[in-house]
Amino acid sequence: DADVTQTPRNRITKTGKRIMLECSQTKGHDRMYWYRQDPGLGLQLIYYSFDVKDINKGEISDGYSVSRQAQAKFSLSLESAIPNQTALYFCATSDGGREQYFGPGTRLTVT
Amino acid sequence: ELKVEQNPLFLSMQEGKNYTIYCNYSTTSDRLYWYRQDPGKSLESLFVLLSNGAVKQEGRLMASLDTKARLSTLHITAAVHDLSATYFCAVGMDSNYQLIWGAGTKLIIKP
Repeated sequence: DADVTQTPRNRITKTGKRIMLECSQTKGHDRMYWYRQDPGLGLQLIYYSFDVKDINKGEISDGYSVSRQAQAKFSLSLESAIPNQTALYFCATSDGGREQYFGPGTRLTVT
Repeated sequence: ELKVEQNPLFLSMQEGKNYTIYCNYSTTSDRLYWYRQDPGKSLESLFVLLSNGAVKQEGRLMASLDTKARLSTLHITAAVHDLSATYFCAVGMDSNYQLIWGAGTKLIIKP
């Protein structure tokens, strides 16, 4: 079984809808991250969390919110989706701030 | 603000040839990571470089880090088609354990 899982893997939604992307991990890591990847670009950090009570904004947090329900679960919400939020979204975990381990990604399309 | 620049952004090469991808970053850091991404897939960790002069090799790939020059290289020796992918470097920020990502180098190796 994969160490970092994301659901859904693909999602098409309409402008203005609220959507939640979920991430679960079995690696036992404290740190979890949400990234966005646009075609031909690197990763941009949306939010990160060092533990359940510690959540921080990344480079591009506007239009997004997160919830750390447990050490193993970190959800990303788009309160009112817009077309320029169409992207590939990755969840990642790390232990001690070193290398990050990525989930399979969620491809989100906002029409 | 830490900035990470990779070059080239696109590289098409023949099997059997050697080439180097460069990763420059703008402020002090002693943590650098190389990842590989296949089309539509997640990111896979290749190398973690944690000190000046660090060199790591795996198969036909070798990565090095020069913290004084703020430069890391990923060298490909006798390229094979299976190495076709996008390669990202990421630099660690000591202040908050974030990673700042390069834009990626898309590598195409022709048989």
